[in-house]
Amino acid sequence: DAGVIQSPRHEVTEMGQEVTLRCKPISGHDYLFWYRQTMMRGLELLIYFNNNVPIDDSGMPEDRFSAKMPNASFSTLKIQPSEPRDSAVYFCASSSSLRDQYFGPGTRLLVL
Amino acid sequence: QQQVKQSPQSLIVQKGGISIINCAYENTAFDYFPWYQQFPGKGPALLIAIRPDVSEKKEGRFTISFNKSAKQFSLHIMDSQPGDSATYFCAARKSGGYQKVTFGTGTKLQVIP
Repeated sequence: DAGVIQSPRHEVTEMGQEVTLRCKPISGHDYLFWYRQTMMRGLELLIYFNNNVPIDDSGMPEDRFSAKMPNASFSTLKIQPSEPRDSAVYFCASSSSLRDQYFGPGTRLLVL
Repeated sequence: QQQVKQSPQSLIVQKGGISIINCAYENTAFDYFPWYQQFPGKGPALLIAIRPDVSEKKEGRFTISFNKSAKQFSLHIMDSQPGDSATYFCAARKSGGYQKVTFGTGTKLQVIP
């Protein structure tokens, strides 16, 4: 199994631009999570899906952030417009019911 | 009530020593406690986990001690090695089909030769 796949691994963009982060969960997993990690705030859960349906988006910082999961093998996290304070490492993780989460390698985002 | 408090924030241990990281929780509905290990540039990876019906779980050099009455649990790394240098996160989760995990703030461990 290839594990959770995230792309791009690194993204540098300018303030105001749209950023799209992508995730392919482990095949057969029915939960998908998006996290953000910063030095100041640690690891924060942004949103999670079960069977492609958003269950809890209370961690999404503001309306500039949106996430979709159009099918069981693909999810996106979009930031529009991006701001410097969005600079962080964004992780996608997946799990199957009642089992542990497996994290992807992360996308390191820098907004100038 | 959803918080998991972790300490210390950073830890330096000599090679061969014991590394100890502590966590505390308040929500008694938590019934699964995993620990994650994260190397620089990588995502967190599950290291070891425990349920509150046991007081200790050991896997190789890694041991979780669990005190249900005190709502505390800790990770002990015996014979610490430079390769153990990483950030460690404790976490807690409720059962009932919900997969949301509450993470501690992390402990950066450095094992020096």
